[in-house]
Amino acid sequence: DIQMTQSPSSLSASVGDRVTITCRASQDISSWVGWYQQKAGKAPKALIYASSYLQSGVPSRFSGSGSGTDFTLTISNLQPEDFATYYCQQYNSFPPTFGQGTKVEIK
Amino acid sequence: EVQLVESGGGLVQPGGSLRLSCAASGFTFSNFEMNWVRQAPGKGLEWISYISSRGTTMYYSESVKGRSTISRDNGKNSLDLQMVGLRVEDTAVYYCASGGYFHDYWGQGILVTVSS
Repeated sequence: DIQMTQSPSSLSASVGDRVTITCRASQDISSWVGWYQQKAGKAPKALIYASSYLQSGVPSRFSGSGSGTDFTLTISNLQPEDFATYYCQQYNSFPPTFGQGTKVEIK
Repeated sequence: EVQLVESGGGLVQPGGSLRLSCAASGFTFSNFEMNWVRQAPGKGLEWISYISSRGTTMYYSESVKGRSTISRDNGKNSLDLQMVGLRVEDTAVYYCASGGYFHDYWGQGILVTVSS
C-alpha cells in the first residue's frame, strides 16, 4: 500500500495567517491526490481533487499543488471556520490511502 | 442538495454482525460509484470498500475482506455494508461517500461499537 505522510501533525496559527500542509507519498502517484477538511464531530468535506482542482463551493483561499510524491495544501488568509483537521488521500493506486491528518488550531 | 444518510449502527458483541445502510438523495445515485470509509475513535480515515455504479465491481480493504459485503439498490437509492465476525477493532464511525476513490460527498457517519 502507498503510504501518505503528512506534516506537521498539528500547527497553531492565527486568523489571517497563511498555512501550508505537506503530504509525501511513498511512491510516485502522479497528481492523484485529494484533500479533505474535517471539523470536530463532523464528516469530512472534500476540498481539492487531482492535486490542485478546487471542489465546487470551496473558497479560493484554499489551494493545492504538487505531483509525483510531494504535495501541498495552502490556506491563505486563514479564517475562523478553517480550524479543523486536514487529510490528504492518494487515489492513484488501490487501495486508496489517507495521511494521518494535520490539526490546525487557533494560536 | 446531495444527501447521504447512514443508519444501522449501534452496539454489537464481538463475533456479531451488522448491516449498515446509506440512503442517497439529491443526485442520480445510479450514475455514481460509492464507498465506505471508517474512522476509529480519535484516529484517521480508513477506506474499506468500493462499489461501481452498476454494482458489478466491488473492492475491500484487507482489514474487512472476507467479513464484509458491499451492495447497492439503484432503484431505492441505497447502499449497504453487511459486516460479520465483528471485532473490537472494527469500532469506528462509518461513513458512506460518493464518487470513485476520491470522495466528493460524505454522509454524517454512524457509530459502530463492538464490545462485550
